[in-house]
Amino acid sequence: DIQMTQSPSSLSASVGDRVTITCRASQGIRNDLNWYQQKPGKAPKRLIYAASSLQSGVPSRFSGSGSGTEFTLTISSLQPEDFATYYCLQHKSYLTFGGGTKVEIK
Amino acid sequence: EVQLLESGGGLVQPGGSLRLSCEASGFIFSTYAMTWVRQAPGEGLEWVSIINSAGGSTFYADSVKGRFTVSRDNSKNTLYLQMNSLRAEDTAVYFCANMDSSRWSVDSWGQGTLVSVSS
Repeated sequence: DIQMTQSPSSLSASVGDRVTITCRASQGIRNDLNWYQQKPGKAPKRLIYAASSLQSGVPSRFSGSGSGTEFTLTISSLQPEDFATYYCLQHKSYLTFGGGTKVEIK
Repeated sequence: EVQLLESGGGLVQPGGSLRLSCEASGFIFSTYAMTWVRQAPGEGLEWVSIINSAGGSTFYADSVKGRFTVSRDNSKNTLYLQMNSLRAEDTAVYFCANMDSSRWSVDSWGQGTLVSVSS
């Protein structure tokens, strides 16, 4: 089974900050990785697919990079509506989610 | 607009059964693989099962294998999850989501339905 290690598990940041979240796969997954945002009581929303493609309608301050085993989600300038929990998901072999990163207000 | 609407959740005793449904609209249901994902209270996301577009291939997480059965009715645009021998650790919000059939990239999600297993 492929394991996904996501870090950090939580972070505190201010509006306007640049935020970076990382996911590491236990084996190579090509670019079969998505990033999701989840707010309390809501379903996850896809932000990035194929590691670096921006989902339609998602602000351009969100970006993804990486391939193989190391992946990054970057929020270039954190906005109030971005405070949420973020998950990576590999879909090369079945599905495995990262443990999540809760982004909180500093 | 893609819509996925789960139903069938509720309170059930340990050892009991429940059947979840997910009604789909806004996309060609019969061409998409589908998945069930769950989230225990205060916890992260956990994949539960996958079914291919035709319904002939199914896959399960080890935690539910032998107890849960996924199926679909493409004529009704509906996905199902039959859950038997339920345990307290199955308590979670259950989401359905669609996946592209070639790469299994998970796209749109339903709002979820809560399953509580307790005596």
